[in-house]
Amino acid sequence: KNEVEQSPQNLTAQEGEFITINCSYSVGISALHWLQQHPGGGIVSLFMLSSGKKKHGRLIATINIQEKHSSLHITASHPRDSAVYICAVRSGNQFYFGTGTSLTVIP
Amino acid sequence: SAVISQKPSRDICQRGTSLTIQCQVDSQVTMMFWYRQQPGQSLTLIATANQGSEATYESGFVIDKFPISRPNLTFSTLTVSNMSPEDSSIYLCSVVVWRPGSVTGELFFGEGSRLTVL
Repeated sequence: KNEVEQSPQNLTAQEGEFITINCSYSVGISALHWLQQHPGGGIVSLFMLSSGKKKHGRLIATINIQEKHSSLHITASHPRDSAVYICAVRSGNQFYFGTGTSLTVIP
Repeated sequence: SAVISQKPSRDICQRGTSLTIQCQVDSQVTMMFWYRQQPGQSLTLIATANQGSEATYESGFVIDKFPISRPNLTFSTLTVSNMSPEDSSIYLCSVVVWRPGSVTGELFFGEGSRLTVL
C-alpha cells in the first residue's frame, strides 16, 4: 500500500468547472505539499500545508490532520490548468509522493 | 524561494553510454535530492546529495550506476551510467528551503531532464 493515495487518477473537465482532487495519507506528517507538473516534466510547488486552508488565486488547498486527508480545489478551471497534480507529504526526513492526478480542461 | 536550473532538459542516448545531468540552485541549500519518475509513475528518490561527502542512496540505487557529485551548496550532478532502455525516465533535482522560524521546509524542483535511451 502506498503511503500517499490520490484520486481521481485522471480527470477531464469543461472550462469553468469546479475541480477537486483528493489526497489521503497513512503516515504522520509535518507538512503536505501540492505540486503541479506540466508536460515538459518540470514541477512547481503550489502549496505547503500543515493545517487548515490556503488560497492562491483560483486554487484552494485544505487539510484535515485528524482524517489524514487533503483536497486541492480549482475554481473556474481553464485549459492552462491542464497538468498533473501531485500530493507529497513529509514524514520525518522522508518525502512520500502520490502517483498524481492528470487533469485535462477542455475549452 | 529557490530557482533551480537543470540541464539538459531532454536527451536521446544510445544504450551503454552515460549522461550527466546538472542542477544549479540560485541560493545555498543544505538538502538536495535526485528523483526519477518513470512513465506513469510517481517520483522515486534516488539519493540525497550531501555537500562534501558521498551521497546517500536509497534501496535499489547504487553509486556505480548513479554517481553523484555535490561540490558546493549550490550545485550537484547526477550521472546515469551504462544506460539501458529501462533508464528512460524524467530525472529531477529537488531542494528543501526553510524559512526562518519554520519547522517544515518548502520543496522546489528543477525543470526535469527527460531521458530516452534507445
